Amino acid sequence: AQSVSQHNHHVILSEAASLELGCNYSYGGTVNLFWYVQYPGQHLQLLLKYFSGDPLVKGIKGFEAEFIKSKFSFNLRKPSVQWSDTAEYFCAVKAQGTYKYIFGTGTRLKVLA
Amino acid sequence: EAGVVQSPRYKIIEKKQPVAFWCNPISGHNTLYWYLQNLGQGPELLIRYENEEAVDDSQLPKDRFSAERLKGVDSTLKIQPAELGDSAVYLCASSLGQGKSSYNEQFFGPGTRLTVL
Repeated sequence: AQSVSQHNHHVILSEAASLELGCNYSYGGTVNLFWYVQYPGQHLQLLLKYFSGDPLVKGIKGFEAEFIKSKFSFNLRKPSVQWSDTAEYFCAVKAQGTYKYIFGTGTRLKVLA
Repeated sequence: EAGVVQSPRYKIIEKKQPVAFWCNPISGHNTLYWYLQNLGQGPELLIRYENEEAVDDSQLPKDRFSAERLKGVDSTLKIQPAELGDSAVYLCASSLGQGKSSYNEQFFGPGTRLTVL
């Protein structure tokens, strides 16, 4: 069965610090990978996705993620966080050709001004 | 264009009572999902519709949960009777497309936060 692990449950950073949130998945086949963000009081929204091609994908608001197939990882990065990045971040994986999304438990990021 | 609409946003009921949640997806979106999100967890799929057909309801606890999407547009999720452990956020999402072409982004609604006392 597929599963997604996000090892950092809570992260606190100061503004301008660099961010890396870990995401590992377990599934032997081809996957599609996603990062979603939920700002306080708002809906879940897609930050970025990987389907194929360049394993380094860029999303909105300066975020990027790198798919490393050999490590079953899809870590989220941002070189310099802002206070407005305070949110909860969810990694999700879907077996290619299916519609079943498996979400991680989420990482709460707090950025101190 | 309006996003996915859900109502109510909050619901407090006593155990053993029935409760229903409503979702109106984005216009033109054929695929509709209901998710359950417990505190400190990610969303977990309950049921997925392609138009009016429930194509994946394997995670729906059918003894007390039911869902419908009669005209292939809006959908209702019902719990009867509710239990204490049902306290959670119920999310609705929608996306374009059918079949297994999966390049269609899911758009989430704001969710309904259910508290069962």
